[in-house]
Amino acid sequence: KQEVTQIPAALSVPEGENLVLNCSFTDSAIYNLQWFRQDPGKGLTSLLLIQSSQREQTSGRLNASLDKSSGRSTLYIAASQPGDSATYLCAVRASGGSYIPTFGRGTSLIVHP
Amino acid sequence: GAGVSQSPSNKVTEKGKDVELRCDPISGHTALYWYRQRLGQGLEFLIYFQGNSAPDKSGLPSDRFSAERTGESVSTLTIQRTQQEDSAVYLCASSLASQNYGYTFGSGTRLTVV
Repeated sequence: KQEVTQIPAALSVPEGENLVLNCSFTDSAIYNLQWFRQDPGKGLTSLLLIQSSQREQTSGRLNASLDKSSGRSTLYIAASQPGDSATYLCAVRASGGSYIPTFGRGTSLIVHP
Repeated sequence: GAGVSQSPSNKVTEKGKDVELRCDPISGHTALYWYRQRLGQGLEFLIYFQGNSAPDKSGLPSDRFSAERTGESVSTLTIQRTQQEDSAVYLCASSLASQNYGYTFGSGTRLTVV
């Protein structure tokens, strides 16, 4: 059974810092991995989708990498801003036949001015 | 539509009443998922629909919970005889069936049982 772990659970940093959020998964047989952002009381907004054949994806100040063999992904946020404050979740789509994604518990990020 | 639409956005109901939540997926998305998220908790899978196949109901917590979807259209999640522990945000997501695609979520329905 796929398990997804996100470290750290919570992070508080001053504005301007570069950040690394971690996501690890136990079964490397995946189709893709997706990073989401969730603001309090809201739905999930997709940030980046990395296919199993890819090593990284970039969007603006965000860069996500994938090392499938070691079961790890990182989300790098450059020059953090208070507006980046949210919970960040990763989801893994396994290649075992089920299309049900497995989610981590998320990293709660606070960027203070 | 352009995105996944959920209604209502907020629902307050009395304990013991039935509620119906609606999800309108992105047009053409054959896969549809329902999740529950209690306050401060992670996403809890409830049910998965794929086209006209039998749904995967393995995440439904009790027989008070049921969901329907006709073809690739709207889905409704029904909770009968609501309890206070049903209070949560109910999230719906849709996706293309291909493994190369990710998921798009709606804004959720916040259910409060008083």
